[in-house]
Amino acid sequence: GQQLNQSPQSMFIQEGEDVSMNCTSSSIFNTWLWYKQEPGEGPVLLIALYKAGELTSNGRLTAQFGITRKDSFLNISASIPSDVGIYFCAGRRQGAQKLVFGQGTRLTINP
Amino acid sequence: NAGVTQTPKFQVLKTGQSMTLQCAQDMNHEYMSWYRQDPGMGLRLIHYSVGAGITDQGEVPNGYNVSRSTTEDFPLRLLSAAPSQTSVYFCASSRMAGRNEKLFFGSGTQLSVL
Repeated sequence: GQQLNQSPQSMFIQEGEDVSMNCTSSSIFNTWLWYKQEPGEGPVLLIALYKAGELTSNGRLTAQFGITRKDSFLNISASIPSDVGIYFCAGRRQGAQKLVFGQGTRLTINP
Repeated sequence: NAGVTQTPKFQVLKTGQSMTLQCAQDMNHEYMSWYRQDPGMGLRLIHYSVGAGITDQGEVPNGYNVSRSTTEDFPLRLLSAAPSQTSVYFCASSRMAGRNEKLFFGSGTQLSVL
């Protein structure tokens, strides 16, 4: 079953606000990935993380691999309308080939 | 490069009908997989393949068959469609099945089973 808990499930924010979301697991992961999905499209990779404590940015997006290796965080600064979509975390446990996904965070932005 | 291509984009089936969802990638990726996306459930792995001739079950394999006769293609077959299989299906691939490999997705197939 689902091994990742992603929160919040949805967010309604004003344009220009910062956004934070996170993903937690009961297992240790050695890879964390963050994806964005726009309507009618497949998820697109935003950021990949491979080391505990790693902090990686992609423009206004910043993601961190938690020190405990059981969580990851995604922040979006100064949100703009094109940030709207569903954000998914995904992780790979130690020794596993398969990725598991969180339930997604749906981001809605009021202009 | 086209990346990961899925067809059809939309499909409506009657209960009991069979069909095949097509997936092709032109990136010479060894690893290919099928996910289904349902509201509040995220993406759940149906089947995956680490190379031509090799397939394995994911989290929710029941009711689906796959085969991998070539590196490029990984079709998903529904032998007898059920309403519970109404979902959006995504094919995804990566260069290998290893730790550092990133997964690339197709644009999805929206399937309704009546």
